[in-house]
Amino acid sequence: GQNIDQPTEMTATEGAIVQINCTYQTSGFNGLFWYQQHAGEAPTFLSYNVLDGLEEKGRFSSFLSRSKGYSYLLLKELQMKDSASYLCAVRRGGAGSYQLTFGKGTKLSVIP
Amino acid sequence: DGGITQSPKYLFRKEGQNVTLSCEQNLNHDAMYWYRQDPGQGLRLIYYSQIVNDFQKGDIAEGYSVSREKKESFPLTVTSAQKNPTAFYLCASSEGTFSETQYFGPGTRLLVL
Repeated sequence: GQNIDQPTEMTATEGAIVQINCTYQTSGFNGLFWYQQHAGEAPTFLSYNVLDGLEEKGRFSSFLSRSKGYSYLLLKELQMKDSASYLCAVRRGGAGSYQLTFGKGTKLSVIP
Repeated sequence: DGGITQSPKYLFRKEGQNVTLSCEQNLNHDAMYWYRQDPGQGLRLIYYSQIVNDFQKGDIAEGYSVSREKKESFPLTVTSAQKNPTAFYLCASSEGTFSETQYFGPGTRLLVL
C-alpha cells in the first residue's frame, strides 16, 4: 500500500525559515517530488530527489533519506507569496512507471 | 508558449449527464494524467496514458472514461455513474523518461447542479 504523511497546516513569520516534513511508506520508490499549489491553482514543480541528500534551489531546499522514508522541504527567507499548500509526492514502481502518489498537502501561512 | 491547457475553467453538470473535460498539451510529452483533488485530500490518480492509443486505470477510475487518439490530447469524460463528481480536476503531462517531472494544467472545477 501507499501512505504519505505531512502536517496539515503550518504557520511561519515573514523572513523566517520553515521546514515541512514528509514521511512515506510505499510499495516501490523511484523518487520524491515537492510541488507548490496556491489556492485554486495548479501545482507547480519545486524539487525532485531520488538519491539521499540535500538538493538546493535558491530559497528552497529538499532533503531525502530513503532508509528512513523521510523528506523535508526547507524554505528560507520566507515571503508572503510563499503562503500556499506544499505537496509531497512519491513516484512508485520500477523503471517505466510514472505514477505518483500524493500526500494531502501542508498548508503554509506566512504572517507579517 | 509551451504548456498544458484545460477547458473549461468551470463546468456544471446536471444529474445523469455525461460531461467531458478537455486537456491539450504542446510540450510533445508522451505521458498524460488525470487527477482529482478534493478538499483535505491529496491528488488522486484517475487515468493515465503513456503513449497514444493506450491508457491505464489509476486508483479511482470508476465512473470515468478517457481516450488518447492524439499525442497532444487526453480528454476525460465524467459519466453519470460517477456519483460524487464535484471536485477540482487536474491534467498533467510528462516526457515519459526515467526522471520525468509531471507538469500540471490550470484545472477544471466541476460542480453538480
